[in-house]
Amino acid sequence: DVKVTQSSRYLVKRTGEKVFLECVQDMDHENMFWYRQDPGLGLRLIYFSYDVKMKEKGDIPEGYSVSREKKERFSLILESASTNQTSMYLCASSGHLNTEAFFGQGTRLTVV
Amino acid sequence: AQSVAQPEDQVNVAEGNPLTVKCTYSVSGNPYLFWYVQYPNRGLQFLLKYITGDNLVKGSYGFEAEFNKSQTSFHLKKPSALVSDSALYFCAVPWGTGNNRKLIWGLGTSLAVNP
Repeated sequence: DVKVTQSSRYLVKRTGEKVFLECVQDMDHENMFWYRQDPGLGLRLIYFSYDVKMKEKGDIPEGYSVSREKKERFSLILESASTNQTSMYLCASSGHLNTEAFFGQGTRLTVV
Repeated sequence: AQSVAQPEDQVNVAEGNPLTVKCTYSVSGNPYLFWYVQYPNRGLQFLLKYITGDNLVKGSYGFEAEFNKSQTSFHLKKPSALVSDSALYFCAVPWGTGNNRKLIWGLGTSLAVNP
C-alpha cells in the first residue's frame, strides 16, 4: 500500500519557535508538495519540489522554507512560528503532475 | 488567469438520492481534470481523473464525472448517495510548464448526505 507519512498529526508550538514538519513517501516519486488548508480558502501551495535539492515557491511561501536532501523526504520549516500559521498542513507526492497525487494524513499545527 | 471554480460551498442530499458536485474550469488547451475527496481530519484521496477519450469517467466508491468541453465543466456524480459519502470534495487541474507545473484547486464543496 502506497504511503505518504507526515511525522505528526497534531502539534502545538509557541510563537517564535522554529518548527519542522516532516514528510516521507515510499513511492519513489519525483514531485513533492506542501499545502496549507484553511476553512474557506481551500488548499494553498506553499512550496513544491520536483527533484532532490530542488524547490519552487508556491502561492504562499512567506514565512516558510523547505528542504529536500533525499528523494523520499520533504521537510517544511517555519523559521519563527506565528499565530497566523496555525493551520492544517498537508504533504503530497506524485510521479508526474498529470497523475494522481497521494496525500499524507495532515498535521494540525497550533501556534500559541 | 487559470482557475477552477466549485460554485457551491455546500451540497445537501438525502441518502439514496442522486448527487452532483459541480466544477467548472478556465484553463486553455485540453486539460486533465481530477476529483479528490477528504474525509474529516484526513488527507485527500484521489477519486477519478479525466485525460482524454470518453467524457464519462468512472472512479472509486461508485463515483463518476462527466467532462463537458463546451461548458468547461467536470461535474462529479453518484446515482445513489450514502451517508458515508459525506465529506469535502475538491476539483483540480494541472497547469504550468517545465518545472513550474502545479495543481490549480477549487475551494472545495462540503457534501452532507442526510439519513
